[in-house]
Amino acid sequence: EVQLVESGGGLVQPGGSLRLSCAASGFTFSSYWMTWGRQAPGKGLEWVANIKQDESEKYYVDSVKGRFTISRDNAKNSLYLQMNSLRAEDTAVYYCARMGWPPDYWGQGTLVTVSS
Amino acid sequence: EIVLTQSPEFQSVTPKGKVTITCRASQSIGSSLHWYQQKRDQSPKLLIKNASQSFSGVPSRFSGSGSGTDFTLTINSLEAEDAATYYCLQSSTLPWTFGQGTKVEIK
Repeated sequence: EVQLVESGGGLVQPGGSLRLSCAASGFTFSSYWMTWGRQAPGKGLEWVANIKQDESEKYYVDSVKGRFTISRDNAKNSLYLQMNSLRAEDTAVYYCARMGWPPDYWGQGTLVTVSS
Repeated sequence: EIVLTQSPEFQSVTPKGKVTITCRASQSIGSSLHWYQQKRDQSPKLLIKNASQSFSGVPSRFSGSGSGTDFTLTINSLEAEDAATYYCLQSSTLPWTFGQGTKVEIK
């Protein structure tokens, strides 16, 4: 069974940093692209970033370019999202998902709140 | 950026009724259009990929059609468990974009 479990969310002040993690199991992690998406409270879904199996390709939505970094550790079956210079508009539930092309399995999400 | 416009934004349907949701893209995306179901306080679940291919385990009452700029998700014989918000996603061009969502309520 495919399982994705996000962690690392919480309350952070504007301008602060946070690192999200996603632990994957039930599939061969190193064989799949992975993705992060997010959902602001009461709003729709937004794609955030994609990463290729060997990290040779990474893509971001414009609003996070230069502030967020997606990475992975295939030995640990883990996906990460380093978020710097956080803004109030980054407040959202962040989901990791396996890229069966399109994203096919999603985790339960972790809430990031950016507020003073 | 490709804009996806879903209609309607809200639909209330009786059990065993039929739901039709459309997703229109601002430019041609071929068949790179996918449909998700998100129930309250849950993560999205993939229903249909590449416009018309059912994802594993999805009930046959869910079907998708379309290509280019106009796409449709159809739910036949609606069940109570189908109450959710439905989103389309395009993966033709970066940045990937979602439609704004269609909330389906069971009368």
